[in-house]
Amino acid sequence: RKEVEQDPGPFNVPEGATVAFNCTYSNSASQSFFWYRQDCRKEPKLLMSVYSSGNEDGRFTAQLNRASQYISLLIRDSKLSDSATYLCVVTESGAGSYQLTFGKGTKLSVIP
Amino acid sequence: NAGVTQTPKFRVLKTGQSMTLLCAQDMNHEYMYWYRQDPGMGLRLIHYSVGEGTTAKGEVPDGYNVSRLKKQNFLLGLESAAPSQTSVYFCAARESGGYNEQFFGPGTRLTVL
Repeated sequence: RKEVEQDPGPFNVPEGATVAFNCTYSNSASQSFFWYRQDCRKEPKLLMSVYSSGNEDGRFTAQLNRASQYISLLIRDSKLSDSATYLCVVTESGAGSYQLTFGKGTKLSVIP
Repeated sequence: NAGVTQTPKFRVLKTGQSMTLLCAQDMNHEYMYWYRQDPGMGLRLIHYSVGEGTTAKGEVPDGYNVSRLKKQNFLLGLESAAPSQTSVYFCAARESGGYNEQFFGPGTRLTVL
């Protein structure tokens, strides 16, 4: 069974702090990687895709390490509005590319 | 564009009752999915479809059936509801291809008494 593992947290950090989440995946043939964000009692929404070269979107930086099979998300200058659960998501290659495997999520609480 | 919509938003059933959850998308995406989300369990795939007229089982298909007669609609049926099916159900749609985003509906909160 394909697995995506995350530390469930919660991570409780003060406003302005930098916080990092890691995620490991079991299938070395995995093709695409994402971070989704889920607010309490809401649906998941795409935060950012994770590319081999790493990518940045404002305060958010995502990195992929294929050799070690892990993905990271770094949030700088945390805001209260960043409080949410962050889901690591992986898709497979080829015939399995239609199916996304979700981690159980890491909960972040940003404290005033 | 509404994206992905789900009907109903909330429902309470008694054990043994049946119901159908409707998912509709206006993005013309090929792939559609039904998930359930329970505390501590994350999102679990129930059934999915890779195109009109096709369906396949996911990780937890028992007790559920699905149909995709039209590309824009994906129905999830519970023939005889059980308390273990109390959950939040999310529908999703996605275009084919590796880095395409998966769009979720707002969810249906189902309680089975």
